[in-house]
Amino acid sequence: ELKVEQNPLFLSMQEGKNYTIYCNYSTTSDRLYWYRQDPGKSLESLFVLLSNGAVKQEGRLMASLDTKARLSTLHITAAVHDLSATYFCAVDLVSGSRLTFGEGTQLTVNP
Amino acid sequence: DVKVTQSSRYLVKRTGEKVFLECVQDMDHENMFWYRQDPGLGLRLIYFSYDVKMKEKGDIPEGYSVSREKKERFSLILESASTSQTSMYLCASSRGGPNTEAFFGQGTRLTVV
Repeated sequence: ELKVEQNPLFLSMQEGKNYTIYCNYSTTSDRLYWYRQDPGKSLESLFVLLSNGAVKQEGRLMASLDTKARLSTLHITAAVHDLSATYFCAVDLVSGSRLTFGEGTQLTVNP
Repeated sequence: DVKVTQSSRYLVKRTGEKVFLECVQDMDHENMFWYRQDPGLGLRLIYFSYDVKMKEKGDIPEGYSVSREKKERFSLILESASTSQTSMYLCASSRGGPNTEAFFGQGTRLTVV
């Protein structure tokens, strides 16, 4: 059974600081996705990582994938308040199949 | 842009009612999914479908059924709603193939009283 774990589950940080959210998964996969969810809203796709060593960047967020370590990271650079949201990673085992989600990391960026 | 549309944002139903949640996608995606999201439990997969008239149970199918008569439409049915089914329901779709990025609808917050 595929398990996906995120760390930390809650993160409170100051504006301008850097931090990393970790996503570990239990079974070999080379497809990992990051999503953002604002309170009361649905999930918005952020990054699609489809191979070992993949790195994607969008603004202050950068995601990477290490399939050998079964680890993805979401790095936040110089956080701003607008980044406050819950971030989910998701993994699938078989191409075209269902996604298994992590528990989510609730990020709060304080002025 | 991919658009996944759920028929209702908010629903209030009575215990024992039969409830239909509808989802439509406009990008000809093969795969469609129903999740429920509860505080502290994350997203849990209820049912999914790889093709018309096909359905597969997810992690928590009890108390639910689904219907996919057309490729673009995936319905979630609560046969006899219970208060434990009060939740946020999220529909998603994805294309078949190596990139299984899922696109989500806006969600339906269902309250069963």
